[in-house]
Amino acid sequence: AQSVAQPEDQVNVAEGNPLTVKCTYSVSGNPYLFWYVQYPNRGLQFLLKYITGDNLVKGSYGFEAEFNKSQTSFHLKKPSALVSDSALYFCAVRASYSSASKIIFGSGTRLSIRP
Amino acid sequence: DGGITQSPKYLFRKEGQNVTLSCEQNLNHDAMYWYRQDPGQGLRLIYYSQIVNDFQKGDIAEGYSVSREKKESFPLTVTSAQKNPTAFYLCASNPGQGIVRDQPQHFGDGTRLSIL
Repeated sequence: AQSVAQPEDQVNVAEGNPLTVKCTYSVSGNPYLFWYVQYPNRGLQFLLKYITGDNLVKGSYGFEAEFNKSQTSFHLKKPSALVSDSALYFCAVRASYSSASKIIFGSGTRLSIRP
Repeated sequence: DGGITQSPKYLFRKEGQNVTLSCEQNLNHDAMYWYRQDPGQGLRLIYYSQIVNDFQKGDIAEGYSVSREKKESFPLTVTSAQKNPTAFYLCASNPGQGIVRDQPQHFGDGTRLSIL
């Protein structure tokens, strides 16, 4: 069965510092991995995805994520945090062989950037 | 600009009442989805449709119903059988299975449903 875990409910970072939001997954076969961001009372916005190829994926707003197959992780990173990065972040996974309906979302991590 | 429009933004339901949430997309996507979001639980799939006039139950379909009569529209009805309907409901779409399987989903801005 597919699953995804975001072990931290909340991450607090000072503006200008690097940030990491953690995600681990479990899936049979090759994973498709996604990160989304959600601002208050809004829908999810796509940030980046890993399908195949380079393990370091770059996305919107300066975010990047590193796929680590041996650790089954896909952590979201940014070198220098902005206050405007404060939001709820979701990791999602789907097995490459499964249908688009079988995407599984993590429970979310609230990122708070203090000035 | 193309996107997904959900309405209303806020909705209140009385006991024993059915309510319908609207979802319209102009992205020409075949697949559409309804999710329920509760605090600390991520997104849970209610129903999905991969093509017009066809839809399947997701993980938490009890107490909900849908229709897909047009490609652009995928309304969700929350029936009186759903005893705990208070949540944030999100509609999503993507191009469809078998065409671009690695494409992310596009989301609307949600409808917040509360009980009166």
